[in-house]
Amino acid sequence: DAGVIQSPRHEVTEMGQEVTLRCKPISGHDYLFWYRQTMMRGLELLIYFNNNVPIDDSGMPEDRFSAKMPNASFSTLKIQPSEPRDSAVYFCASRGTSFDTQYFGPGTRLTVL
Amino acid sequence: AQSVTQPDIHITVSEGASLELRCNYSYGATPYLFWYVQSPGQGLQLLLKYFSGDTLVQGIKGFEAEFKRSQSSFNLRKPSVHWSDAAEYFCAACLYSNTGKLIFGQGTTLQVKP
Repeated sequence: DAGVIQSPRHEVTEMGQEVTLRCKPISGHDYLFWYRQTMMRGLELLIYFNNNVPIDDSGMPEDRFSAKMPNASFSTLKIQPSEPRDSAVYFCASRGTSFDTQYFGPGTRLTVL
Repeated sequence: AQSVTQPDIHITVSEGASLELRCNYSYGATPYLFWYVQSPGQGLQLLLKYFSGDTLVQGIKGFEAEFKRSQSSFNLRKPSVHWSDAAEYFCAACLYSNTGKLIFGQGTTLQVKP
């Protein structure tokens, strides 16, 4: 299995632009998680899905952030408009049964100028 | 509030020396516990996990961790560190009641001296 796939690996954009991060979970996994990692706040869970349905989005920082999972093999995290404080590494992770291991993707390093 | 604490932000050990990374949790019940490792520019890789049973858990790369309920701790150990172990290590926990939503500690950066 190729593992969790994220794209792009690096994204540099200007303040105010829309940013879309993409994630392909491991086939057969029915949980998908989006995390953000910063020096100041560490690893934060933004949102997670079960069977393509958002279960908990309490970690989404503000309305500028949105996430979708249109099917079992694809999810997006969108920031519109982006701000410099959104600069971080964004990780996607997927998991099989409820208490199984979460497998992380390589992350997308976002820089907002 | 539920939390995971890693008291040591940065640790330096000599190659070949033993290692112990500390992790404490604050939960109403015993959570499921995990240790992940993150190499520079990489995602997180699971080292080991504890759900129940034997309190000494063996993981990959020669790591082990011991769950101590009385101390609310889940410390990670390795008897002899290799230079390739230099990375950031994260302790994480979740309660079965919230379907496995992980809470991470702040991480401990391990530096290995030759």
